[in-house]
Amino acid sequence: GQQLNQSPQSMFIQEGEDVSMNCTSSSIFNTWLWYKQEPGEGPVLLIALYKAGELTSNGRLTAQFGITRKDSFLNISASIPSDVGIYFCAGLLSNFGNEKLTFGTGTRLTIIP
Amino acid sequence: GAVVSQHPSRVICKSGTSVKIECRSLDFQATTMFWYRQFPKKSLMLMATSNEGSKATYEQGVEKDKFLINHASLTLSTLTVTSAHPEDSSFYICSASGGQGHYYEQYFGPGTRLTVT
Repeated sequence: GQQLNQSPQSMFIQEGEDVSMNCTSSSIFNTWLWYKQEPGEGPVLLIALYKAGELTSNGRLTAQFGITRKDSFLNISASIPSDVGIYFCAGLLSNFGNEKLTFGTGTRLTIIP
Repeated sequence: GAVVSQHPSRVICKSGTSVKIECRSLDFQATTMFWYRQFPKKSLMLMATSNEGSKATYEQGVEKDKFLINHASLTLSTLTVTSAHPEDSSFYICSASGGQGHYYEQYFGPGTRLTVT
């Protein structure tokens, strides 16, 4: 199936650094979701974006819905050890009765001690 | 709110046997449940979508006779891997929508790791 392109694929950063990752698509979506997955667990919803241009924060996380509706980015400020995990974007073109998510390829975040 | 559980969390079975995985929405009624498969270091791949009381809609390439899905109530969906083979070993994750927030936001279970020997 279709996947969204996420970059970077992996990041190695030091604690306290800011993180930026993005997600791009060849087709438009009208909802973007960002999830975090830890090893052996299911993804956990971090931020949901519903309108083009929308900028939303959740604590140290900030995400934006691109104006073209084909991209989104996620920023994490002042990273801490518990930020380690894989971050997935997901796009949704919500048609009633067909609410399938298209997932990104993931960004693996590692914090170097 | 919007908690989804899965059982079992891990299962090891012999080749040729069938395995059932349960997915429950604990504090909301799930209008739709989804089943995903995830290979190591890969993204989630949707297998099928199910609505309570109706047949599941399978994604292209997913064998409906091999991966039986039952969505008997608004809080329970089951995935049965029939006649399992080693290539079916994977991490299976369910999600449910209909909880807090927009109706189409999906909340994921913790996953089930299946190993077929």
